[in-house]
Amino acid sequence: DQQVKQNSPSLSVQEGRISILNCDYTNSMFDYFLWYKKYPAEGPTFLISISSIKDKNEDGRFTVFLNKSAKHLSLHIVPSQPGDSAVYFCAARGTASKLTFGTGTRLQVTL
Amino acid sequence: GAGVSQSPSNKVTEKGKDVELRCDPISGHTALYWYRQSLGQGLEFLIYFQGNSAPDKSGLPSDRFSAERTGGSVSTLTIQRTQQEDSAVYLCASSSDRNEKLFFGSGTQLSVL
Repeated sequence: DQQVKQNSPSLSVQEGRISILNCDYTNSMFDYFLWYKKYPAEGPTFLISISSIKDKNEDGRFTVFLNKSAKHLSLHIVPSQPGDSAVYFCAARGTASKLTFGTGTRLQVTL
Repeated sequence: GAGVSQSPSNKVTEKGKDVELRCDPISGHTALYWYRQSLGQGLEFLIYFQGNSAPDKSGLPSDRFSAERTGGSVSTLTIQRTQQEDSAVYLCASSSDRNEKLFFGSGTQLSVL
């Protein structure tokens, strides 16, 4: 039962353009959402988060949007840079406190 | 240290052997998590420790898997009688409380031959 879904396993975007990574969830009890970035042979690193009381959170080039009625969140990266090439994981947390992760989307930013 | 430390970074073992994976969380962090990532898969939750509370073991895939956290700090994940399907990267993470982001270690790459 995959409660957090990232339906696009990969995405290729040109440098300077916007990258949009999507995530859907099924558990309405999730109240906190996070995006993590992972480079090969390294652990995931925190990127940005959003509480369910908000619908948008912005940090520099990164913006996360939350649509609770659709149980959907997205990560926007603009402008995309080659160093953004990595696997991006969406994660959600509910009352049980453990984070549930999606399967990841591999972003490739091309020159 | 400044970050979450895991050892060994790589472990190759034979099917049927037991393995122990170690995690040193960030000092002062009360929450500790174990996840694993199999090839081409997402991050699969295994177990979660929070302070002195009973651990959430709901993600452990079988009774061959166990974990302990001694003194509220270092954690050891033990896999008994390893199988080839146990091959994965085992990731440990810690956080200061339930609202904080997780800090991950670099993982242990386990290969069961």
